[in-house]
Amino acid sequence: EADIYQTPRYLVIGTGKKITLECSQTMGHDKMYWYQQDPGMELHLIHYSYGVNSTEKGDLSSESTVSRIRTEHFPLTLESARPSHTSQYLCASSQGGGLFFGSGTQLSVL
Amino acid sequence: RKEVEQDPGPFNVPEGATVAFNCTYSNSASQSFFWYRQDCRKEPKLLMSVYSSGNEDGRFTAQLNRASQYISLLIRDSKLSDSATYLCVVSPGDYGQNFVFGPGTRLSVLP
Repeated sequence: EADIYQTPRYLVIGTGKKITLECSQTMGHDKMYWYQQDPGMELHLIHYSYGVNSTEKGDLSSESTVSRIRTEHFPLTLESARPSHTSQYLCASSQGGGLFFGSGTQLSVL
Repeated sequence: RKEVEQDPGPFNVPEGATVAFNCTYSNSASQSFFWYRQDCRKEPKLLMSVYSSGNEDGRFTAQLNRASQYISLLIRDSKLSDSATYLCVVSPGDYGQNFVFGPGTRLSVLP
């Protein structure tokens, strides 16, 4: 079982609020990723990191930002949440093999 | 054309059936290949890596054909619990390149 954790599991929040989705892994993986997925739709890469102080935007444009100050921690921040940000956010990590995903955060912005 | 394509699905099969999923990829430099399963509203979980020699894990067999840029997954004696979406995932393998996900094929195993 992969050791990658996301909190909160569910988040319902009002428009305009600042939110941070947490992601931590205990496997020492260098590579970490954030994906966005709507129900029944494909995963879209929104951010990735290949190590501490390395962050890049993914294929899907996103208004969120990320940071990678520690290997194990890769939080995602939305400065001002909007209803269009309602989605599932999945964090993942990798070290040369496959991707291991956290349980995801289901975000609903009212 | 998408970089990774899969059978459109959905596949509705009776319990005990054998079902095969197909996946093609366009980047000939791809190095690593995987099958994931994703249950509704859950995260994708690694089912198996795919090797050129083919590999088997219980009722699941994966094959890779590099010349045809084709990957397959065979599920024998399907169970109700196999109902999920199956994702084909390809990695170019270079540091600096990312995993590419197929759109997924949904499987429903019916009693």
